[in-house]
Amino acid sequence: AQSVTQPDIHITVSEGASLELRCNYSYGATPYLFWYVQSPGQGLQLLLKYFSGDTLVQGIKGFEAEFKRSQSSFNLRKPSVHWSDAAEYFCAVGAIGGYQKVTFGTGTKLQVIP
Amino acid sequence: DTAVSQTPKYLVTQMGNDKSIKCEQNLGHDTMYWYKQDSKKFLKIMFSYNNKELIINETVPNRFSPKSPDKAHLNLHINSLELGDSAVYFCASSAGNTIYFGEGSWLTVV
Repeated sequence: AQSVTQPDIHITVSEGASLELRCNYSYGATPYLFWYVQSPGQGLQLLLKYFSGDTLVQGIKGFEAEFKRSQSSFNLRKPSVHWSDAAEYFCAVGAIGGYQKVTFGTGTKLQVIP
Repeated sequence: DTAVSQTPKYLVTQMGNDKSIKCEQNLGHDTMYWYKQDSKKFLKIMFSYNNKELIINETVPNRFSPKSPDKAHLNLHINSLELGDSAVYFCASSAGNTIYFGEGSWLTVV
């Protein structure tokens, strides 16, 4: 069965500092991987996705993620965090369409301090 | 224009009541979903419909009944609400390999 682990429940970083959110997955085939962001009281917005090709994926809002098959990881990074990045971040794995489904991790809450 | 819209956004109701959440997408997608996010933010798929046909039905109590009158709409009806049904319910749709979420419906059962 597919699964996603986000080992960090809560991360606090200073504004302007770099950020890395960890994601490990378990999937029986070549994974489709996603990162979503959820601001308080809002829905989920897609930051980026990986299907194939270049293992370093660029997303919106200055985020990037790197797929490492050997480590079953898909960590999200941002070189300089802004206060508006404070939100909940969800990693997800799976495929879309037919009987396939996407499984989400439990999320990492990011707090940004001045 | 909101791509995936769901109503109501907030709903407070008593145990035992029956309630519905409506969802509409204007993206022309064939597939729609309902997800449930619990108090610990865990997001789990409940149902998936493709062209009005039920594709995925996770282990959800049969008090929950989705209805898709056409491929742009997927409504969720909940009978005999229980305290444990309190959660955020997200409607979503997909095309290709991307899921687009609505803004959520916050359901509180008292």
